[in-house]
Amino acid sequence: QKEVEQNSGPLSVPEGAIASLNCTYSDRGSQSFFWYRQYSGKSPELIMFIYSNGDKEDGRFTAQLNKASQYVSLLIRDSQPSDSATYLCAGGALTDKLIFGTGTRLQVFP
Amino acid sequence: GAVVSQHPSWVICKSGTSVKIECRSLDFQATTMFWYRQFPKQSLMLMATSNEGSKATYEQGVEKDKFLINHASLTLSTLTVTSAHPEDSSFYICSASLTSGYSYEQYFGPGTRLTVT
Repeated sequence: QKEVEQNSGPLSVPEGAIASLNCTYSDRGSQSFFWYRQYSGKSPELIMFIYSNGDKEDGRFTAQLNKASQYVSLLIRDSQPSDSATYLCAGGALTDKLIFGTGTRLQVFP
Repeated sequence: GAVVSQHPSWVICKSGTSVKIECRSLDFQATTMFWYRQFPKQSLMLMATSNEGSKATYEQGVEKDKFLINHASLTLSTLTVTSAHPEDSSFYICSASLTSGYSYEQYFGPGTRLTVT
């Protein structure tokens, strides 16, 4: 059974802090990993994807992938109240369907 | 780029009727589209994978005769909920796969909220 695991949270961080979201996966065949943000009542929005070990930065977001440890993380720097949402981690092999985690709810308080 | 639309955004129907939901990739061609369902405060549940020109692949436990999927072109997939019942009320979301060389990303439509009365 291919699984992606996330802590459901909520993860509460003050405005301006770094939010760290973590995800582990069971399928060593997974080659690509995605972070989606989902606001309440809305559909998921792709914010980052990563294929190679190491870090990938895009603005305030940094995705980290460690294939040996089967671990993916998302760092959000200078967190804002507008970042408050559920963050979904997903992994998959090329041209395969994605396996989604259940999501981590992030709360950024002023 | 990578915009996916869905229509309608919300629909209310009577029990026993059928509802069709359209999913379109607006600025790219999507060989593969996916249909998800999400109940309140629950995670996404993949219903089926839809490939252009072929029959959809349904996940275990999803009734293919109830949820009819057609992927007639590289930019359009439709989901028809047949003989809808109140328990089918949910948030239905499609996604389309954008493939470019080694990479591919899955982009979601805005979702369709179905209420069956």
